[in-house]
Order: sequence, then structure tokens, then C-alpha cells
Amino acid sequence: EAGVAQSPRYKIIEKRQSVAFWCNPISGHATLYWYQQILGQGPKLLIQFQNNGVVDDSQLPKDRFSAERLKGVDSTLKIQPAKLEDSAVYLCASSSGLPDEQYFGPGTRLTVT
Amino acid sequence: SQQGEEDPQALSIQEGENATMNCSYKTSINNLQWYRQNSGRGLVHLILIRSNEREKHSGRLRVTLDTSKKSSSLLITASRAADTASYFCATVYSTLTFGKGTMLLVSP
Repeated sequence: EAGVAQSPRYKIIEKRQSVAFWCNPISGHATLYWYQQILGQGPKLLIQFQNNGVVDDSQLPKDRFSAERLKGVDSTLKIQPAKLEDSAVYLCASSSGLPDEQYFGPGTRLTVT
Repeated sequence: SQQGEEDPQALSIQEGENATMNCSYKTSINNLQWYRQNSGRGLVHLILIRSNEREKHSGRLRVTLDTSKKSSSLLITASRAADTASYFCATVYSTLTFGKGTMLLVSP
């Protein structure tokens, strides 16, 4: 079974630039999550989708972050404009529906200079 | 805010020894999960314990849950160098909330 795919794996941008991350969940998984993991901390949930609807985006900085999940499969997370404090690893995860075992992708390491 | 708090923040042991990590949390949960993260394999689910369970085993892993004290522990027995990683507890009510993790170093 193929795992959660993410791209790119690494990205370096300057502050005030924009960036987009892509995630393809495990086939058949209805629930998709985006997490932000700052160095030395645990992952923090940014947004949760159930199919193509948003379940929880309470911790998403909506003035600069946006996410979509068209057709209930792939998802993109965008940051515009980026700030230095956005430097982190962005993890995508999927699950079969319940908030139980989640399967994580390899992450995208973002560096904002 | 992150709910779980792991203790200790870092742990260094020799191969063959047991490693114990603790997690405390603040609010009601449906279940509690432990994850491992290393550079090679990313974040991997280890074990899930439900709020009505007190102890669970999986291979060399033993997890306990005390909902009255809002705490959990993860025991890794007969540790190996390959167990070197960061370990996170994650509490689940409606979403998954991670702690800051314990960094485990197992030396040969």
C-alpha cells in the first residue's frame, strides 16, 4: 500500500514570498490533515478535511495560510506571504475517518530567509 | 495549544536497557497514542490506548493509561540502537494533539 506522498521535500524561500505544498493521501482515506512542526516541538494541527470539507481550521493563520482539498483527494497548503517564523516542517497525514491512527507523509521542510 | 507534556525531555541509555517515557495531559480524551519520529522513517504510529483501557502491549512496547491522573507511560524493553528517535504522545478528543516529545538516544 502506497503511503502519504508529499512534495516538495525541501523548500527555501525569502520572507514575503509565497509557497505551496502538495499532499496525496493514502487511497480511500477520507480524512486529511496538515500539521506544522517547528524544530524541537511536536506537530501542531493546522487544518483537517473530511472528504473535501473543512472540519477544523481553528489554528490555521488565515491571513496568510490557505488550504484546499479539491475532489476530496489531493490537497495543497499555501503560505502567502511567508514570514521567518513559518520555517518548519509541514506534515500531511491521512486516516480512514475517525481521529484514530494517522499515517504521516515524509513532510516538507520549509526554510524562510 | 499542545495538550500532552512528555517527561523527560531527553533520555540516554545503553542497548539492552529499558526506557520509560511519561506523558501528562489536561483535558478529557477518547484515546491516547504514541508516535515515533526519526529522520529515516518520519512520524510513525506506535500504539493506541483507549480511555477505558489501562494497559496495552505491542511487541517490546508497553503503554499504561491512568485517566484519573491524566497520565500515560511508554515503556520500551530491551532497547536497541534503532530505537533512537523522538517519541511523542498525542491525545485524541476530536483531533490529535501532540506533546513536545522525548528524545531517546540508545547507545550500542
